[in-house]
Amino acid sequence: QKEVEQDPGPLSVPEGAIVSLNCTYSNSAFQYFMWYRQYSRKGPELLMYTYSSGNKEDGRFTAQVDKSSKYISLFIRDSQPSDSATYLCAMSARSNFGNEKLTFGTGTRLTIIP
Amino acid sequence: NAGVTQTPKFQVLKTGQSMTLQCAQDMNHEYMSWYRQDPGMGLRLIHYSVGAGITDQGEVPNGYNVSRSTTEDFPLRLLSAAPSQTSVYFCASSYSGRLNEGYQETQYFGPGTRLLVL
Repeated sequence: QKEVEQDPGPLSVPEGAIVSLNCTYSNSAFQYFMWYRQYSRKGPELLMYTYSSGNKEDGRFTAQVDKSSKYISLFIRDSQPSDSATYLCAMSARSNFGNEKLTFGTGTRLTIIP
Repeated sequence: NAGVTQTPKFQVLKTGQSMTLQCAQDMNHEYMSWYRQDPGMGLRLIHYSVGAGITDQGEVPNGYNVSRSTTEDFPLRLLSAAPSQTSVYFCASSYSGRLNEGYQETQYFGPGTRLLVL
């Protein structure tokens, strides 16, 4: 069993819809939770990060972490065609040096249909 | 700042050949890492470095070597290429230091190197 599970999709939604992306994990030591966005043939770029449980909002994006259920979500409101990309969740445990050994999900490919 | 740069962008190798993937960053980051990305497998950590002269293995280190002689550069060497090493390789960097609770430094990824081993 993988430490981080993510539905690979693909997921297609009409423009303006609310998108929900999810990951589950098994390692209870994970404390830092991130969402990366990756456009085709590009490197991943950090979109959101959350420490421990709770919600974090940034514009049209909301990240949620439920450590009791080992479940994280990314919501995209008013989705735009420019949101079409692969979204990867990533997480790490606390360590002395901090952010090495990120564990990634496989990524969900999202297409927003105009 | 150029950020994280990787060369080459594309490479075709024959089985048994060796090569070096180059990675450089100009942000004075201490922490650098190499990942490979394969369909259905996500990003997997190959090797990482927390500073010049210090490297360690990640999840899938076999068949790869790294060294870190300067803060800026972190090359990845394929010793004897195998078809199983066909993948997209990403280098990433970030500041590394003792973290306060709730603080997480952003990892910046390069544009990737696509490698095909025949």
